[in-house]
This record gives sequence, C-alpha cells and structure tokens, in this order.
Amino acid sequence: TQLLEQSPQFLSIQEGENLTVYCNSSSVFSSLQWYRQEPGEGPVLLVTVVTGGEVKKLKRLTFQFGDARKDSSLHITAAQPGDTGLYLCAGAKAGANSKLTFGKGITLSVRP
Amino acid sequence: NAGVTQTPKFQVLKTGQSMTLQCAQDMNHEYMSWYRQDPGMGLRLIHYSVGAGITDQGEVPNGYNVSRSTTEDFPLRLLSAAPSQTSVYFCASSYQGQGTEAFFGQGTRLTVV
Repeated sequence: TQLLEQSPQFLSIQEGENLTVYCNSSSVFSSLQWYRQEPGEGPVLLVTVVTGGEVKKLKRLTFQFGDARKDSSLHITAAQPGDTGLYLCAGAKAGANSKLTFGKGITLSVRP
Repeated sequence: NAGVTQTPKFQVLKTGQSMTLQCAQDMNHEYMSWYRQDPGMGLRLIHYSVGAGITDQGEVPNGYNVSRSTTEDFPLRLLSAAPSQTSVYFCASSYQGQGTEAFFGQGTRLTVV
C-alpha cells in the first residue's frame, strides 16, 4: 500500500503555463516535504510544511499543506524549462525515529 | 563542504557476488538512511540508523546489511547479489529525525547480471 499518492504521474507542458500537482494520503503526517530530482542526481529539498493549512512560496512555486495534514499541493506559475525534473513528496509521522515515506513522484517536462 | 558522498557511482555485479556501497557524510548528522529507487516505485527505505551503533530495518531490507560504527559512515552490504537488486541506491543523512531536511548523495547505479 502506497501511503502517499502523487498525481499526475507524468506532465508535459509548454513554457509559460501554470500547473498544479498533488500529493494525497489517508494518513496524517506531522510534516511533509517536497523534493526535486534531476537526472543522475539525488533529490534536493524544496520545502517542508508542518502546519495544517500552511502555504509556502519559493519564487514561482507555491506549496500548500492540507488543513487535515493528509495532503499537499504544488503550484508552479509560468513554468520554465529549468523546472523540468522529478518532484517527490515525502511525509514524516510524529516521533523522533519516524521514517520518511516517499511518493512515487511526478515527472514534469517543460517544453521551450 | 562535501555533504553526502557515495562510492562507487556505477557498478556491475554478477549474480551471487557481494559488495559494499560506501556512504560518508561530513555534516555530523545523526540520522542516515539507504534507499533504492526503481522506475515507477519512488524511493523505498532499505535500512536506517539514528546514531552510531544503532541500525534498523526499513521497507525492503532483505538481501542487505548495514552497520554504523562511526557517525560519518554508513556502508550498505549486498550479501549475494541478485538481478532484483538492480537499482539506483541513494544514501541520505539528516540532522535529526525524518521531519528534518534529508541530504542525499548522488547515487550508485548498480546492475546485477
């Protein structure tokens, strides 16, 4: 059973378009992270959200944590080819030794 | 600041061979983990450690051993390689528990023939 479901799995858009992708779960997480991974590299953290309803912005990227802390969304405004990559969400439950659970990822391709 | 360093970057093994994937971090992080990444499967946790001398199993531990003799190093051992272990392996470290930022190495692409 995949605890974190990411959708859509693949997305190909034109430069300048807006997009929203999702990370959903039936479980409650104490925090949720978004990572971006480029080919041949390890994932790199974009943001961590910890409070239900929290919204964080990172330049053209807007992240939201659901009120019930079960889901999250990532909105990209005016996508650029440099946004191309694999976007992974990862959730951590309460507890010092809680394991980080990753979704399967969303492959985004932004065409010039 | 090197961060998390994994070696080797690429490796081809024959079925039944054993090998050790190396992982070292220079950030004095207590928490270290090993993941494997397969197409369409995301990152799956193999083993993790919350500090020197302490290790525990993750989601897919079978066929792998780990040890944590120092804070810096967390090697992953394949006891008898199988084609099902063909994957990209990532080591990660974080300052505290899983809710804090995980820093990943560049990965080891392993092929078992």
